[in-house]
This record gives sequence, C-alpha cells and structure tokens, in this order.
Amino acid sequence: NAGVMQNPRHLVRRRGQEARLRCSPMKGHSHVYWYRQLPEEGLKFMVYLQKENIIDESGMPKERFSAEFPKEGPSILRIQQVVRGDSAAYFCASSPGGGEETEAFFGQGTRLTVV
Amino acid sequence: GQSLEQPSEVTAVEGAIVQINCTYQTSGFYGLSWYQQHDGGAPTFLSYNALDGLEETGRFSSFLSRSDSYGYLLLQELQMKDSASYFCAVERNQGGKLIFGQGTELSVKP
Repeated sequence: NAGVMQNPRHLVRRRGQEARLRCSPMKGHSHVYWYRQLPEEGLKFMVYLQKENIIDESGMPKERFSAEFPKEGPSILRIQQVVRGDSAAYFCASSPGGGEETEAFFGQGTRLTVV
Repeated sequence: GQSLEQPSEVTAVEGAIVQINCTYQTSGFYGLSWYQQHDGGAPTFLSYNALDGLEETGRFSSFLSRSDSYGYLLLQELQMKDSASYFCAVERNQGGKLIFGQGTELSVKP
C-alpha cells in the first residue's frame, strides 16, 4: 500500500507563473489536508477536502490559491501568479475518514521556490 | 486566538531521557498529537492523547492534562537517530484539521 504521494518534489516557478501541486492520498483514504511550512516553522493548515467537497478552507489565502479533490484523480493545490512569499514546503496529509482515525499520514512534500 | 507553545530547541545525550512540553490555547479541543520530522521530510505520527493520562509506545510516551491545557512527549533511551523536530498538534474537532506548534528541535549528542 503506497503512502501519500506528492509531486513534484521540487518546483521552481518565476514570479507571476502558476504552480500546480498534486497529492494522491493513501488507498482507501477519502480525506485530504494541505499544510504549508516555512523554514524553521511549524505546519500551517490551509485546506481540508473530501471527494468533490471543500470542508474547511479557513487557512487558504483569499486570492490566488485554490484546491480541489475530484472524484477521480489526485487532489490539486493551485497557486496562481506566484510571488516570492509563496516559497515554502507544501505538505499533503490523508486520513480514512469516518471519524475514528487519530493519525494523519503525510506525503514527502513539494518544495516550491519562486525566483 | 489559537496558540501552542513548545520549546524551540532541546539538547540531550545518548541514553538520556528528555521531555518536550506543549501548552495550548485553542477554541475547541478533541485531542493532542505528536509528530516527528527529520530534515524537513514527511512528518510522521508518534502518538495521540484524547483523554488525560499517559500513553506509552515503546521508547516514546505522551501525556495529556486537559484541565491544564498541557501535554508532553517523553523520549527514553535516546538514540542519535532521535535528532529531529518534534511538533505537538491539536485536533479541534474529530477528524478535522490539526493546529501545529512551532516545533522543538531535538539534538542528541554522543
């Protein structure tokens, strides 16, 4: 059973370009969470999705950022018109759903560098 | 507001015992988790407490006092490979998002 898969592992974008980060949850997991981590800091919650639904996007910047988790395929975090301040590690986590789980499984992250 | 406080760094020697404390202030509390992260890699789950008391998993134990909004992670028989960042995280409601602390950098010396 493969773990949470994120790609790409590293992404370099020029200011103003778009960044698309992908996350395939663990098999059987229907809940996906995106977190952002700046150097020397903790993980900051961005968005929580279930298949075809955004459950909680309270951590998402209001502009330029969007996320989806379609019925088929990976979850996508999309950042439009990137700026230097978007440079960070973006982690995806998944859980089975159903309310009984206590553990979130994280992917290896995508390190976004905006030049 | 919501905040979790934990020491920024701790140093200990191999074979020793170290305790990493975490105090939290959040609107809503369901449980406290601990995660380990090596060199910016994938955070990995260590333990979870929803009820007061001590949970033991091998060399690692975690404690929670809900009335004090306080928990700690206890690492025994420290090994060099335990050098990593350790994060406490609050789950505000069942199955929901995690609110992470800033992390504690643990350095284990020979």
